[in-house]
Amino acid sequence: EPEVTQTPSHQVTQMGQEVILRCVPISNHLYFYWYRQILGQKVEFLVSFYNNEISEKSEIFDDQFSVERPDGSNFTLKIRSTKLEDSAMYFCASSYHRSTDTQYFGPGTRLTVL
Amino acid sequence: AQKITQTQPGMFVQEKEAVTLDCTYDTSDQSYGLFWYKQPSSGEMIFLIYQGSYDEQNATEGRYSLNFQKARKSANLVISASQLGDSAMYFCAIRIGPAGANSKLTFGKGITLSVRP
Repeated sequence: EPEVTQTPSHQVTQMGQEVILRCVPISNHLYFYWYRQILGQKVEFLVSFYNNEISEKSEIFDDQFSVERPDGSNFTLKIRSTKLEDSAMYFCASSYHRSTDTQYFGPGTRLTVL
Repeated sequence: AQKITQTQPGMFVQEKEAVTLDCTYDTSDQSYGLFWYKQPSSGEMIFLIYQGSYDEQNATEGRYSLNFQKARKSANLVISASQLGDSAMYFCAIRIGPAGANSKLTFGKGITLSVRP
């Protein structure tokens, strides 16, 4: 069964460093998303992406964040200068626009900023 | 504004029994979708079931069913014949508006379910 994959599973970085989180969505999906979950809290929407551009972004998704689909398979989230409060689990999700547009999530990347 | 409310404290259920996890939502849109996801201790988010606002029948997926009461704005998840592997955090989520490019999900805080042998 097709699934969303994410790498790395765990990333440790120093405050102020740039990180790139990578995702491979399900191959025939058209819509891509990033969410984050701070430990013990609910899942929060960051950004949605369709047709090579951002469809919507939350107030969390400030100028430090960017997304890119550099080729036909990868979808990346870049954090330019990480802060301690960026420590969280980051989930990539994808969907194919049908009647339900169910979003299927990847296993997540746990980002720890020291 | 709080769109999804999950207020139950940690839930416990005996193996093989049924359990209901509560979810209420708040929207003035007529078109929306409701989703339930399971998050085991390993951390991944697993899609369980979907209910569209215009669906007249309650959704079912195997042992999962959704008790959709539109007038009360509730979308409770019912798990029948609980198994030990059902122990996890369960999140209710809503998509406001019709399915489409801006279909972000707004999640509730989640409910922890523990299944006792």
